[in-house]
Amino acid sequence: EAQVTQNPRYLITVTGKKLTVTCSQNMNHEYMSWYRQDPGLGLRQIYYSMNVEVTDKGDVPEGYKVSRKEKRNFPLILESPSPNQTSLYFCASSRRSGQGSVEQFFGPGTRLTVL
Amino acid sequence: GESVGLHLPTLSVQEGDNSIINCAYSNSASDYFIWYKQESGKGPQFIIDIRSNMDKRQGQRVTVLLNKTVKHLSLQIAATQPGDSAVYFCAENLSNDYKLSFGAGTTVTVRA
Repeated sequence: EAQVTQNPRYLITVTGKKLTVTCSQNMNHEYMSWYRQDPGLGLRQIYYSMNVEVTDKGDVPEGYKVSRKEKRNFPLILESPSPNQTSLYFCASSRRSGQGSVEQFFGPGTRLTVL
Repeated sequence: GESVGLHLPTLSVQEGDNSIINCAYSNSASDYFIWYKQESGKGPQFIIDIRSNMDKRQGQRVTVLLNKTVKHLSLQIAATQPGDSAVYFCAENLSNDYKLSFGAGTTVTVRA
């Protein structure tokens, strides 16, 4: 089954304690991205990756890091989490269809609370 | 800055009625638009898309309309069902790349 998986699904942590949220896709997509979702703000892109070893900042990258050492995995790293990073996080992978449309598949989400 | 936005944050609709969810965009260069549905506790799921060379596209019980003149698109859901209760997002594809810009979302609640 084609899917995007994220772990953990729920996490409560404390300020300053480094954490990693993993993301994996089995569709051989080149493009992957991370979003955060906050009430009234919709989905905002944090980082994206066009391919292995190619990553770039999205709209809200401050306080986050990513890596893309292999095609299927795109972990999101919070080196020193702060309470304003409490949010719902989604990983997504994308491909372009033959007609040029972007087909984006989302993971189930990770709800992070930073105390 | 340029952004995609939805007109109303919430919509309450009677079961069986038609729903109309609106979205405004400001970037005239956008050439691809997508509607997503997000159910509680899940990630967004693709509903329907439309390219800028089209005015209307129909799916199963859903229709997307695009008005490029006023930079507006809408999602119509026919015979709304309880399972249609969700948050609906429009997304805009900028500069023909992979990046999608999302609106804030409209929460649709279906009344029995």
